[in-house]
Amino acid sequence: GAGVSQSPSNKVTEKGKDVELRCDPISGHTALYWYRQSLGQGLEFLIYFQGNSAPDKSGLPSDRFSAERTGGSVSTLTIQRTQQEDSAVYLCASSLGGADNEQFFGPGTRLTVL
Amino acid sequence: AQRVTQPEKLLSVFKGAPVELKCNYSYSGSPELFWYVQYSRQRLQLLLRHISRESIKGFTADLNKGETSFHLKKPFAQEEDSAMYYCALSGYNQGGKLIFGQGTELSVKP
Repeated sequence: GAGVSQSPSNKVTEKGKDVELRCDPISGHTALYWYRQSLGQGLEFLIYFQGNSAPDKSGLPSDRFSAERTGGSVSTLTIQRTQQEDSAVYLCASSLGGADNEQFFGPGTRLTVL
Repeated sequence: AQRVTQPEKLLSVFKGAPVELKCNYSYSGSPELFWYVQYSRQRLQLLLRHISRESIKGFTADLNKGETSFHLKKPFAQEEDSAMYYCALSGYNQGGKLIFGQGTELSVKP
């Protein structure tokens, strides 16, 4: 079956612009996660959605970052007023939920802020 | 504080040699531990998790709670094992969000 998909695969933007990154999880997966992969910081957790519960936003680096998940499926990560330090690969993952369940990762969106 | 430490950024071995990728963690409680792998130009994927106690592609990892370690081992490395390896933990009642180590690049030379 189809895995996790993300779009766009690459995004180049100018400093100060807003960007939206999209994630389509595996059908039936109730949990959805966003991570950021950057040279200096490695892989960092950003935000997590589980069913209809309030999202865990504890990993968002600033209030310029936000995410939503509509209808328990597709998720959008929005970065407002982008900065050069936001340049990274943004990864989305989905799972059946719970601490010990495998997370399936998407291919990522490479964001470059000029 | 929750933390995962992978002390080696790069590990280079010859084909057929044993390999051990080190992982230490800090967590107050009993976490779930994982190894994820990313082959060149492929997605990050699960290699193994301690709860399964299984061997995948010849790799094993034993959770040592006393030393708070979860080292990944393989007795005979293969060239196709060359990849980026990430150790990760997930805390109890935290919904499965993963805390990753910095990653170790394994290079297996012919």
